[in-house]
Amino acid sequence: GENVEQHPSTLSVQEGDSAVIKCTYSDSASNYFPWYKQELGKRPQLIIDIRSNVGEKKDQRIAVTLNKTAKHFSLHITETQPEDSAVYFCAARLTSNDYKLSFGAGTTVTVRA
Amino acid sequence: DTEVTQTPKHLVMGMTNKKSLKCEQHMGHRAMYWYKQKAKKPPELMFVYSYEKLSINESVPSRFSPECPNSSLLNLHLHALQPEDSALYLCASSQERLAGAGEQFFGPGTRLTVL
Repeated sequence: GENVEQHPSTLSVQEGDSAVIKCTYSDSASNYFPWYKQELGKRPQLIIDIRSNVGEKKDQRIAVTLNKTAKHFSLHITETQPEDSAVYFCAARLTSNDYKLSFGAGTTVTVRA
Repeated sequence: DTEVTQTPKHLVMGMTNKKSLKCEQHMGHRAMYWYKQKAKKPPELMFVYSYEKLSINESVPSRFSPECPNSSLLNLHLHALQPEDSALYLCASSQERLAGAGEQFFGPGTRLTVL
């Protein structure tokens, strides 16, 4: 099955700085890579996703890059704000399974004011 | 309506109790999911229903019993749970297969405590 590794497990940044979270996946057949943000006591919310036919996608202060050859994808948050503090999960979906996402272990991001 | 709703928000039950968790969506999604999540860990898939039929059971113990009465509702029946089953139970839905629309919408979860 798919194995997704996520680093770092914790990340502390100064407000206004950038944050980068990296994930690697094991199955080259994976073709869909969402990122979820989960604030304390709340539901996971999709913040951005990318498909395997695209190398980069951006939405305001958030961007995701995908390197299919190296089998890794990264989340970039620029100009971080205190409300960016949360746990972030990357995930990958196998083409052979229409429903199952393999999640990374999560990164706890703390933005210091 | 672009939300997945879940009831109750919190549930405390004894090991001999029987209770049910409920999930509802009115987005016309045909795939619905149950996840279990421990604190600061990723969601773990339990069950998937596609077009009201059980599509995936991730070897979940029989003390958890899912039910999909119709395309908008998903239940999780609980019986004889153990303290280690205490967790946040998340429901999610997606249009069809993730290959299509892609996005999975999560509900707010039910915080379950088993005494």
